[in-house]
Amino acid sequence: QVQLQESGPALVKPSETLSLTCSVSGDSVSSYYWSWLRQPPGKGLEWIAYAHWSGSANYNPSLKSRISISVDTSRNQFSLSLSAVTTADTAKYYCARFDQYDTWGFFAFWSQGTLVTVSS
Amino acid sequence: QSVLTQPPSASGTPGQRVTISCSGSTSNIGMTTVTWYQQFPGSVPKLLIYANDLRPSGVPDRFSGSKSGTSASLAISGLQSDDEAVYFCSSWDGSLDGPVVFGGGTKLTVL
Repeated sequence: QVQLQESGPALVKPSETLSLTCSVSGDSVSSYYWSWLRQPPGKGLEWIAYAHWSGSANYNPSLKSRISISVDTSRNQFSLSLSAVTTADTAKYYCARFDQYDTWGFFAFWSQGTLVTVSS
Repeated sequence: QSVLTQPPSASGTPGQRVTISCSGSTSNIGMTTVTWYQQFPGSVPKLLIYANDLRPSGVPDRFSGSKSGTSASLAISGLQSDDEAVYFCSSWDGSLDGPVVFGGGTKLTVL
């Protein structure tokens, strides 16, 4: 069974960079695309970005200027960096496997999620 | 505002059939497939329906999806109290909003 576990700080100060890592077990990050999503408390889901180990990636246009995503095949992990955070970036962050098929796809497996709060 | 439009709430009684709509446009639902996710309170979203009407293994056949034009629907038959959750639709979007977009979610209450 595919399992994903994110790690990273629960508290980030405004204007700093939020960094999260997702460790994958039961699958290889050399397959599929790997993605980050978030959900502000009490609100809906927002897709952030997805990436392939080959370097192919796609980003939410509204966040693109602040996002970096990478896939590390040696550690079977992938990571997210979100710069210049504000309180609007407070959310539960999920990592997920994205099964992409040309112009469609779905998030097949999700992590448990980690709440990241942006506050001074 | 979400790119895909869902009613904020829906309800039904046990045993009933309920449907949840998801409205989009020609740049998303109209050109590709729809996915549905189920999220219980305090829990992780779970893949429920993909490619408009396909169920992953383990999802009961009480759940079904359909798509017509720029809209999609999730139907739940034989409603159970355990179905009380938030349901999100999602699609690929070929415009500047994309490529992955979600609806705002529909809170299903079993009366």
